[in-house]
Amino acid sequence: SAVISQKPSRDICQRGTSLTIQCQVDSQVTMMFWYRQQPGQSLTLIATANQGSEATYESGFVIDKFPISRPNLTFSTLTVSNLSPEDSSIYLCSVDTGGYSPLHFGNGTRLTVT
Amino acid sequence: GDSVTQMEGPVTLSEEAFLTINCTYTATGYPSLFWYVQYPGEGLQLLLKATKADDKGSNKGFEATYRKETTSFHLEKGSVQVSDSAVYFCALSDQGLWAGNNRKLIWGLGTSLAVNP
Repeated sequence: SAVISQKPSRDICQRGTSLTIQCQVDSQVTMMFWYRQQPGQSLTLIATANQGSEATYESGFVIDKFPISRPNLTFSTLTVSNLSPEDSSIYLCSVDTGGYSPLHFGNGTRLTVT
Repeated sequence: GDSVTQMEGPVTLSEEAFLTINCTYTATGYPSLFWYVQYPGEGLQLLLKATKADDKGSNKGFEATYRKETTSFHLEKGSVQVSDSAVYFCALSDQGLWAGNNRKLIWGLGTSLAVNP
């Protein structure tokens, strides 16, 4: 299994600013994912964070709005840029430890944009 | 495309009541099916899974049977406890359990369960 530390757990940000969310894993993992959970909606995959290369974004998500870093096999950041109230969501980091293991999730970051 | 439909919550039960949370899916192939649970203040964690038709996943007293004929994967527990209060998510993977570097899950909306003593 994997233990994931996600920071911050919550934040309130002003419109137009940015928030960077950190995800630290206690073991090396190949695949890290970033999800968004908007109020009343299901989890939506934003992107897959690849170590040593650019992230792979899902339809509807772009690098300019959600830049991702993956400097090594245990760490990733997601930045939500140019915040608007529509970005108010829970953002979740997830890792795949490979094989038949289930996905592991961080506790999430609850973002409120005012 | 593939999708998951979960019964809406919140669901409120008394301790020792029987629980059913309905989940149906749409998929073109033979997906694997999951129930994840999110306890207050914690991350999502896998509760149980099933990989083929008629499989029954079980854990912590919860069960769900993969029903291909009705495309369902309903979550059940015979006697709930206060500690079962959480949000439950049904999900599917159309790429099976082992999908190399490209595994994605499709999620339901989640069902909030509150169990009163």
